[in-house]
Amino acid sequence: EIVLTQSPGTLSLSPGERAALSCRASQRVSGTYLAWYQQKPGQAPRLLIHGASSRAAGIPDRFSGSGSGTDFTLTISRLEPEDFAVYSCQQYGSSPLAFGGGTKVEIK
Amino acid sequence: QVQLIESGGGVVQPGRSLRLSCAASGFTFSNYGLNWVRQAPGKGLEWVTFISYDGTDKYYANSVKGRFTISRDNSQNTLYLQMNSLRIEDTAVYYCARDAAFTAGAVYWYFDLWGRGTLVTVSS
Repeated sequence: EIVLTQSPGTLSLSPGERAALSCRASQRVSGTYLAWYQQKPGQAPRLLIHGASSRAAGIPDRFSGSGSGTDFTLTISRLEPEDFAVYSCQQYGSSPLAFGGGTKVEIK
Repeated sequence: QVQLIESGGGVVQPGRSLRLSCAASGFTFSNYGLNWVRQAPGKGLEWVTFISYDGTDKYYANSVKGRFTISRDNSQNTLYLQMNSLRIEDTAVYYCARDAAFTAGAVYWYFDLWGRGTLVTVSS
């Protein structure tokens, strides 16, 4: 069973800054089957990235994903006010599906 | 409007049952596999269960196997989760989530549409 560890737990940044969020897997994620989601309080989670680096429909190009094997990164190139939220990674290359604990990106 | 709307959450005593519903609109419901994903207070997301587009295939997390049952009614565009023998640790927001594969029979195992969730609190 793959365990995903996200770091940092909280990232304090200002609008316009770059954010780099880490997702580490306890075992290799097969086929780069990793997704990233954004969550805001009271709202439905939103798919950002699938296949480790493919942006979902309608996602701005300031969001990018990278990585393979056990180390993955979500990068937000320039934070917009609406980007302050919780971000979670999910592996779907093996059973059971697993999510990370999330990284909160907050306004500094 | 493409959306999923969960309902049926509430406060329930340990050992009792509850049924959640998820109403879909704006897309061809019968083409998609569907999931329930939950999030306990202060915790990460946890996948709970999946049902295929036609209801023939169902999978469960070990934590709910034998207690929860997923089902769907394609004529009513509605997904269900029957939760029996509820435990304190089942307390969570329960989300309905659509598998991203848009071709009937295909499954991608990541989720491109989510509802806002419904809160289930198991407490004596």
